[in-house]
Amino acid sequence: QKEVEQDPGPLSVPEGAIVSLNCTYSNSAFQYFMWYRQYSRKGPELLMYTYSSGNKEDGRFTAQVDKSSKYISLFIRDSQPSDSATYLCASASGTYKYIFGTGTRLKVLA
Amino acid sequence: EPEVTQTPSHQVTQMGQEVILRCVPISNHLYFYWYRQILGQKVEFLVSFYNNEISEKSEIFDDQFSVERPDGSNFTLKIRSTKLEDSAMYFCASLGGIGQPQHFGDGTRLSIL
Repeated sequence: QKEVEQDPGPLSVPEGAIVSLNCTYSNSAFQYFMWYRQYSRKGPELLMYTYSSGNKEDGRFTAQVDKSSKYISLFIRDSQPSDSATYLCASASGTYKYIFGTGTRLKVLA
Repeated sequence: EPEVTQTPSHQVTQMGQEVILRCVPISNHLYFYWYRQILGQKVEFLVSFYNNEISEKSEIFDDQFSVERPDGSNFTLKIRSTKLEDSAMYFCASLGGIGQPQHFGDGTRLSIL
């Protein structure tokens, strides 16, 4: 079983839609959860960072972590064509090793 | 905003040659990482480095790989004898302290011929 699983997509939505991106993880020791955005030929750009369970909101982005079901979500409100990218979830139990999902390709259509 | 910088952006090397990838982490960060991303695949952890020693490494990080922090600013990844399958994007990341997230550079695209 992969430690972090993510649907690779692609996911196509119309501009203005609410986007829901999801990951599951298997390691109960994971306590740090991140969402990164990656444009083609660029490095992962940190979007959201959550410690343990709960919700975190930043502008149009909301991250949710449910440790009981080992489920991580990212919601994007009022999606824009500029949000078109690959979204990576990552998890870690400590500081030394982060495990990434495969990434979900998102396309927001104008 | 401070950023992680990597050089070169693209490196082309003959199979069997040694290559050194360079990174300047964010100033005052304490933890340093290398990741690899083969085209179309996931970002894979290679190694983490703290307090001038390797903290953790993956099974990918075999004897052909080494890391070094030769001075107070640079962090390097050396591949001793490159293979075709080493062709990938290599990302450096740094982290300020426990409980803080990693920040990534834009990567070095390594092409082995």
